[in-house]
Amino acid sequence: AQRVTQPEKLLSVFKGAPVELKCNYSYSGSPELFWYVQYSRQRLQLLLRHISRESIKGFTADLNKGETSFHLKKPFAQEEDSAMYYCALSGFGNEKLTFGTGTRLTIIP
Amino acid sequence: DVKVTQSSRYLVKRTGEKVFLECVQDMDHENMFWYRQDPGLGLRLIYFSYDVKMKEKGDIPEGYSVSREKKERFSLILESASTNQTSMYLCASGVTDTQYFGPGTRLTVL
Repeated sequence: AQRVTQPEKLLSVFKGAPVELKCNYSYSGSPELFWYVQYSRQRLQLLLRHISRESIKGFTADLNKGETSFHLKKPFAQEEDSAMYYCALSGFGNEKLTFGTGTRLTIIP
Repeated sequence: DVKVTQSSRYLVKRTGEKVFLECVQDMDHENMFWYRQDPGLGLRLIYFSYDVKMKEKGDIPEGYSVSREKKERFSLILESASTNQTSMYLCASGVTDTQYFGPGTRLTVL
């Protein structure tokens, strides 16, 4: 069975400080990992996926298979980063996503 | 730009009523999904569909059914609404493993 764990329900960070949202997963095969974000009054949208290895809005995430983690990082938080963040996993060739319980990030001005 | 629309933003129903939630996508996606979103529980998959008239149970299908008669439309049905089905319902469509979400329907069952 596949499982995604986000240990922090709430995270508050000062503007300009580094941000790290934790995500750990459990999957027996080769996973594909994603971060989705939901800003206030907006729909849930894809932020980034590990396979593309790109930085979106200053965020990056590295898949660490040894630690089964996919933490989301940003060196300098901005107020517009305040949102709900979900980590998600799919199996190879499988369109079904398993989501974590989410972390609400608040950036303190 | 992918557009996924849901028939209602807010809905209030009474216990025992039959409830229909409609979702339409305009990108000819094969895959469509229904989730419920609850604080502290994240998104949980109710049902999904890989093609017209095809459906598969997700993680929490009890109390729900679905219908997909046309490729662009995926309906979620609560046969007899109960108070524990009060939630935010999100529809998504997708290709491969990228999903595009609708705005959500907040359903309250009294």
